Amino acid sequence: EDKVVQSPLSLVVHEGDTVTLNCSYEVTNFRSLLWYKQEKKAPTFLFMLTSSGIEKKSGRLSSILDKKELSSILNITATQTGDSAIYLCAVVRMEYGNKLVFGAGTILRVKS
Amino acid sequence: GAGVSQTPSNKVTEKGKYVELRCDPISGHTALYWYRQSLGQGPEFLIYFQGTGAADDSGLPNDRFFAVRPEGSVSTLKIQRTERGDSAVYLCASSAGLESDTQYFGPGTRLTVL
Repeated sequence: EDKVVQSPLSLVVHEGDTVTLNCSYEVTNFRSLLWYKQEKKAPTFLFMLTSSGIEKKSGRLSSILDKKELSSILNITATQTGDSAIYLCAVVRMEYGNKLVFGAGTILRVKS
Repeated sequence: GAGVSQTPSNKVTEKGKYVELRCDPISGHTALYWYRQSLGQGPEFLIYFQGTGAADDSGLPNDRFFAVRPEGSVSTLKIQRTERGDSAVYLCASSAGLESDTQYFGPGTRLTVL
């Protein structure tokens, strides 16, 4: 059975800290990995990763995929209170339909 | 341009009632997905449409759940004889098609079954 595991489940940091969120997966026929930020209800797309070792970056956020270790990390530097959210990792398999298999998410709270 | 929209944003109903949840995808997106998210969990796949047809409905929990997309755009998720366990946030997402992995989500409908 496909499995996506995120860690930690939750963490609390202070503004300005750097955080690293982890995602590991066990899926057949891996195609890509996506990160989403969820505030209130709608998950907002952050990154899609398909190739191992190539970092994707957007402002203070960056992410990298390690296909050998079947994992990905999401880094957030100089955290702000607006970064408080649930961060979701999802995997796409090489099959018709590209449905997403999600992890349970990491709850991040940034204190001022 | 406009993103994915969902209505209603909240729905409270009584056990045994019928509900319909609507999703309007991004214009031009041929693929449409429904997911369900329970508290403390990630979204779980329910059903996928490519155009008008349900290409994969393997995630629907039982035959009380049904979804349609008659004209290849707006989709409606229908739940009959609702149960308290159906309470969750129902999320809709769309993508440009089979070659696109990136799905864009709507704000969801929070369904509460009393």
